[in-house]
Amino acid sequence: ILNVEQSPQSLHVQEGDSTNFTCSFPSSNFYALHWYRWETAKSPEALFVMTLNGDEKKKGRISATLNTKEGYSYLYIKGSQPEDSATYLCAFYNQGGKLIFGQGTELSVKP
Amino acid sequence: GAGVSQSPRYKVAKRGQDVALRCDPISGHVSLFWYQQALGQGPEFLTYFQNEAQLDKSGLPSDRFFAERPEGSVSTLKIQRTQQEDSAVYLCASSLGPGLLYEQYFGPGTRLTVT
Repeated sequence: ILNVEQSPQSLHVQEGDSTNFTCSFPSSNFYALHWYRWETAKSPEALFVMTLNGDEKKKGRISATLNTKEGYSYLYIKGSQPEDSATYLCAFYNQGGKLIFGQGTELSVKP
Repeated sequence: GAGVSQSPRYKVAKRGQDVALRCDPISGHVSLFWYQQALGQGPEFLTYFQNEAQLDKSGLPSDRFFAERPEGSVSTLKIQRTQQEDSAVYLCASSLGPGLLYEQYFGPGTRLTVT
């Protein structure tokens, strides 16, 4: 059974706080890790597709790191804004032919 | 440009009815995926098309579920004799290339409620 675990399940921060959350996945037969942001009433939006151990990707105030040997990825948001409020999903691909999603981290940023 | 669209956005079906959910992917996208998302869970894979070929249908929960993409663009997910456990959000996604190294572009989903 392949499990993708995300923590925490939910997070409440104040505007301006920096925050991070974790995606854990099986370290064997790694092929790729995806991060998506899903705002309420909108479609999930791709943030990053990561493939290499040690990879670090950045998009504006959001960045992600990848450790395939120990099976985790961190997503960081610097200076959170209310518009960052969303559920952040990670999904793991191990050449089994399908993406396996975590349950998501729900982020709420209060002004 | 146009994103992935899905219709209907909401569907209420009585138990036993058949439903058909439509997905219009981004033009030119080779890959198309269907996912089922239950409340409080992440999306779960149902099936994958590369152009018109259904390469993986291992996630379809029963033989009541059927998907097609006959011309390699629009796809339809059909659920026959709906049951209450079929109530979920059904998401469609497309990506430019084959496989899973390309980011997926999701539609808004169809929320199916079976009463």
